[in-house]
Amino acid sequence: AQSVTQLDSQVPVFEEAPVELRCNYSSSVSVYLFWYVQYPNQGLQLLLKYLSGSTLVKGINGFEAEFNKSQTSFHLRKPSVHISDTAEYFCAVSPNTGGFKTIFGAGTRLFVKA
Amino acid sequence: GAVVSQHPSRVICKSGTSVKIECRSLDFQATTMFWYRQFPKKSLMLMATSNEGSKATYEQGVEKDKFLINHASLTLSTLTVTSAHPEDSSFYICSARVWSQGTYEQYFGPGTRLTVT
Repeated sequence: AQSVTQLDSQVPVFEEAPVELRCNYSSSVSVYLFWYVQYPNQGLQLLLKYLSGSTLVKGINGFEAEFNKSQTSFHLRKPSVHISDTAEYFCAVSPNTGGFKTIFGAGTRLFVKA
Repeated sequence: GAVVSQHPSRVICKSGTSVKIECRSLDFQATTMFWYRQFPKKSLMLMATSNEGSKATYEQGVEKDKFLINHASLTLSTLTVTSAHPEDSSFYICSARVWSQGTYEQYFGPGTRLTVT
């Protein structure tokens, strides 16, 4: 079984400041890792994903994440945030053995202040 | 990228009635679709896995007789909430799985807001 822990429920940050949203996971099998963003009353949009290869993954909107196998983490970062980045961010894992049953973390609310 | 649509985007129904939500893959075929439920300010909870031409697989704690899932074709899965109660009010999101470039990709619909009065 897999589980995902997002360590911060809310992250307030000023515009143009850097931000890191933390995500830890546990799994008995190898997993794929994802970050999704959700704007109010909308579905999920994929920001980035780690399947294999380079542990530093770059996504859309200037976000990137680093897979750390030893620490079972997949933290999301952005060097300079915008007001428009205010949204809910979900970390997710899916076993790479097929089935693709994606398990989501509880979410982190990123609030960018002017 | 692939597009998944949901209809309706919002629905209000009276307690005791049934409501059907459609999930369509618009430009690809999806043998597998997933239904999630999201409570306010909460994460997504996987309700069931819908496979074309066979019965859905429900997660533990999800009432299969209350949440009827039908995956009638490779582009359409439906979720019917039967005898709806106010506690069924939620945001329902579907996703479709497709094999692409040596791995599975998962695409999410925009969600359906269900309010039961």
